[in-house]
Amino acid sequence: DAGVTQSPTHLIKTRGQQVTLRCSPKSGHDTVSWYQQALGQGPQFIFQYYEEEERQRGNFPDRFSGHQFPNYSSELNVNALLLGDSALYLCASSGAGGPADTQYFGPGTRLTVL
Amino acid sequence: SQQGEEDPQALSIQEGENATMNCSYKTSINNLQWYRQNSGRGLVHLILIRSNEREKHSGRLRVTLDTSKKSSSLLITASRAADTASYFCATDAGGFKTIFGAGTRLFVKA
Repeated sequence: DAGVTQSPTHLIKTRGQQVTLRCSPKSGHDTVSWYQQALGQGPQFIFQYYEEEERQRGNFPDRFSGHQFPNYSSELNVNALLLGDSALYLCASSGAGGPADTQYFGPGTRLTVL
Repeated sequence: SQQGEEDPQALSIQEGENATMNCSYKTSINNLQWYRQNSGRGLVHLILIRSNEREKHSGRLRVTLDTSKKSSSLLITASRAADTASYFCATDAGGFKTIFGAGTRLFVKA
């Protein structure tokens, strides 16, 4: 049973560019959440997708957008990259039961913006 | 701002000793969870405690929750070198949002 997978593992971009990160949830899960984790900090909630819709959003600008596909996989898009967007981006999947559902995290994508 | 704040920020102990980490949060919660993260990789869920529970055990882990003080503690008994990691508490913040603290970095010396 595959867990949560993310691609790519590492990514280097320059300021102003756009990036797309991908996530496949754990089998049987239909909810995907994205987090940004800066070095030495805890993960910060970006948004959550359920039934192909953004269900809740954290305090991130519109440059951060996402998508969920019918097979429950998800993409995170970041436009007009800033140096401060350099971070580990984590995807987590869960069932649709709500906040009490255990989230299973992928290994993350390390994004470096130069 | 972050809902949960862990204390201490870093902890170094000898193998076999117990490790205690604390978490404080600001608003009412439905549940609180603890996660472990090794070397900047994905987080692993350790344990969930609901707001109507006071204590929960899982193997060498013991979690307590005091909703009147808005605090929780994670105790790892008989620590091993493999327990070296960062530990985060996470709370629900209304709706489907999960808020993590800044974490406690635990180093267990062999």
